[in-house]
Amino acid sequence: KQEVTQIPAALSVPEGENLVLNCSFTDSAIYNLQWFRQDPGKGLTSLLLIQSSQREQTSGRLNASLDKSSGRSTLYIAASQPGDSATYLCAVSRKWTNAGKSTFGDGTTLTVKP
Amino acid sequence: DAGVTQSPTHLIKTRGQQVTLRCSPKSGHDTVSWYQQALGQGPQFIFQYYEEEERQRGNFPDRFSGHQFPNYSSELNVNALLLGDSALYLCASSKRTSGGYNEQFFGPGTRLTVL
Repeated sequence: KQEVTQIPAALSVPEGENLVLNCSFTDSAIYNLQWFRQDPGKGLTSLLLIQSSQREQTSGRLNASLDKSSGRSTLYIAASQPGDSATYLCAVSRKWTNAGKSTFGDGTTLTVKP
Repeated sequence: DAGVTQSPTHLIKTRGQQVTLRCSPKSGHDTVSWYQQALGQGPQFIFQYYEEEERQRGNFPDRFSGHQFPNYSSELNVNALLLGDSALYLCASSKRTSGGYNEQFFGPGTRLTVL
């Protein structure tokens, strides 16, 4: 059974700081890994998708890396801003021939202080 | 493109009642997945629909059922509601490819409160 863990559960940083969020998973037979952002009481916004054959993806100030062999992914946020305050979730999926569902971590709640 | 839409936004029911939640996928997507998210936790997979059939199911009782229509929209039905069913219900859509699933896009969710 796939298990996804995100550490830390909460993180508070001053504006402008670079930071790293961690995601680990127990079963390396994944198809892809996706990072999401969730604002309180809202749905999930997709940030980055990494296919199992890729090592990293970048979008603006965000960079996500994937190391399947160690079962880890990191989300790097550069020059953090108060608007980055949200809960960040990672999710892993297997190929539909085995199990197409996504398994999520419980997220890291980020607070960026002005 | 309106993205993934869900209705209603909020819903209040009492124990024992039945509820139906609705989802319209993003244009061009053919697969709909439903998730339950309790406060402070990550979403839990309920089931997934493709070609109007349930393809995968998570660890949820038979009280949870669904349907997908020819236009790819989907419904989630929950019977005999329990207090523990109170949660944010999220719908996600994706496009199935030969190798598996592509990026998932989520709707805004339906907040269900069971009293």
